[in-house]
Amino acid sequence: GAVVSQHPSRVICKSGTSVKIECRSLDFQATTMFWYRQFPKKSLMLMATSNEGSKATYEQGVEKDKFLINHASLTLSTLTVTSAHPEDSSFYICSARYRGLAINEQFFGPGTRLTVL
Amino acid sequence: KNQVEQSPQSLIILEGKNCTLQCNYTVSPFSNLRWYKQDTGRGPVSLTIMTFSENTKSNGRYTATLDADTKQSSLHITASQLSDSASYICVVSANSRTGTYKYIFGTGTRLKVLA
Repeated sequence: GAVVSQHPSRVICKSGTSVKIECRSLDFQATTMFWYRQFPKKSLMLMATSNEGSKATYEQGVEKDKFLINHASLTLSTLTVTSAHPEDSSFYICSARYRGLAINEQFFGPGTRLTVL
Repeated sequence: KNQVEQSPQSLIILEGKNCTLQCNYTVSPFSNLRWYKQDTGRGPVSLTIMTFSENTKSNGRYTATLDADTKQSSLHITASQLSDSASYICVVSANSRTGTYKYIFGTGTRLKVLA
């Protein structure tokens, strides 16, 4: 149980285009989903926290107009990188926390590799 | 400032050998500490989780320890296998007064197991 999927696993796009990444909790309802970015040989950095039905909370330094997050249902959150540039190339990982969990566990997705040309 | 530091940054060992990874943290208020394994190009997978009152937790060949007084944790891998080659991340969870929490990630230790 507690499986989180991401789609796509890998995407290459041209500079200036927008890219949408989906994060799904497959067998549980995720009240909270988290989006992380990871650069090579670096640790995960939290970008934003999204709760179902409300606006995402962004970490300091993360542009909310560039990284649009939608958490429209208890099993799906999307991250849209708008007007992507080469410096946005990174590994994007989502995680999900489910309702009723006593301890603050997050389950991570497999990640999405974004390459902007 | 909440911080999690890991050592060594990287480690190379021969298959079958044991190794120990270290994690020091300054996180308050402390909630729990986790060790994750992250294969290249994949998301992290949980190995162990320990709360304040636990000082050891095992998961197969992985054994984690926690000393809440010195704010140190270690992950011991026994009889290493080639598939253990990965990054190992120490993550400390901090609770806020509002009841929310945040994961504080260490920078990870990259382990390479050679045949």
